[in-house]
Amino acid sequence: QKEVEQDPGPLSVPEGAIVSLNCTYSNSAFQYFMWYRQYSRKGPELLMYTYSSGNKEDGRFTAQVDKSSKYISLFIRDSQPSDSATYLCAMRLSGYALNFGKGTSLLVTP
Amino acid sequence: SQTIHQWPATLVQPVGSPLSLECTVEGTSNPNLYWYRQAAGRGLQLLFYSVGIGQISSEVPQNLSASRPQDRQFILSSKKLLLSDSGFYLCAWSGTRDYEQYFGPGTRLTVT
Repeated sequence: QKEVEQDPGPLSVPEGAIVSLNCTYSNSAFQYFMWYRQYSRKGPELLMYTYSSGNKEDGRFTAQVDKSSKYISLFIRDSQPSDSATYLCAMRLSGYALNFGKGTSLLVTP
Repeated sequence: SQTIHQWPATLVQPVGSPLSLECTVEGTSNPNLYWYRQAAGRGLQLLFYSVGIGQISSEVPQNLSASRPQDRQFILSSKKLLLSDSGFYLCAWSGTRDYEQYFGPGTRLTVT
């Protein structure tokens, strides 16, 4: 079983929709949870990070962590065509390495 | 503000040729530096990280090596490239919060 699982999509939504992106993980010792956005042929951009279970909000983005279910989510409200990208979840156990999901491709259509 | 640079942006190299990719960070001191590879259909894989000048830790055994000759400079090298070395190479930096990693624009390497 892979440590971090993420549905590759593609996920296609109309502009203005609420988007839900999800990752599951197998190792309950993961401590920090990150979401990155990666545009085509560019480096990943850190959107948000969380440590504890619960919600964290930043503008149109909300990150949610459920440690009991080993499940994290990123919600995007009022989605825009500029949100079209691949979204990567990442988690840290200890040390310096981050464990990444393979990413979910999102397309927001006007 | 901090800025991270990588070059070249794209590179096409024949099998067996050497490799040198460079990464520099501006606007911060004593960063942690990382090299990742993103292969098609696979997630990002940490190759090397460095917590200081001359200090390199390898995460994956392979024909690649890394060096940190200056505080804000990180170099990825190979003496002889393999076809399997093709991929998107990303440099990243972090401060004291090492889970908060910021990536550069990447180098797309194709080995032919």
